[in-house]
Amino acid sequence: EVQLVESGGVLVQPGGSLRLSCAASGFIFDDYAMHWVRQAPGKGLEWVAGITWNSGNIQYADSVKGRITISRDNAKSFLYLQMSALRAEDTAFYYCAKAAYESSAWIESWGQGTRVTVSS
Amino acid sequence: EIVMTQSPATLSVSPGERVTLSCRASQSVGFNLAWYQHKPGQAPRLLIYGASTTAIGVPDRFSGSGSGTEFTLTISSLQSEDFGVYYCQQYNNWLTFGPGTKVGIK
Repeated sequence: EVQLVESGGVLVQPGGSLRLSCAASGFIFDDYAMHWVRQAPGKGLEWVAGITWNSGNIQYADSVKGRITISRDNAKSFLYLQMSALRAEDTAFYYCAKAAYESSAWIESWGQGTRVTVSS
Repeated sequence: EIVMTQSPATLSVSPGERVTLSCRASQSVGFNLAWYQHKPGQAPRLLIYGASTTAIGVPDRFSGSGSGTEFTLTISSLQSEDFGVYYCQQYNNWLTFGPGTKVGIK
């Protein structure tokens, strides 16, 4: 069974930094692209960043470009999201998501999410 | 950047009714379109991919159609457990979600 377990969500001050982690199990991690998707309070789903199976292709939403870095450790089956220069509008539930293939494809599985709150 | 729009934004439907949700892409995405259902406190659930292929375990009352820039999700006979927000998503060029359609039960 595919399991994606996010961690690292905390209350952080504006301008601060944090790193989200996603522990993956139940599938061959390095066979699939991975994504981070977020949902701000009262808003819809927003794709944040994606990374192909071998980290050869990475892309970010315009809203986070330059402030967020997605990475993966295939040996440990972990996905990461390094966030810096955080703003109030980054407050959201962040989901780790597994794509159906090694590159661009629909999301097949989702984690339960981790909450990030940016506030002073 | 591909922009996705959905209509209507909200609707309230009686059980047993047929529901049609629309999704439009700002440029052609071919058949690279998925639909998800999202309920409060839960992870989103994949319903449809490839514009019309139903995901494993999804009831056959859900169906998808369309290609290019115009897509439709149909629920043939709405059940009470079908409340939630429905999102379309293109994956032709990375990912973009639509703003969602909130389906409530009358």
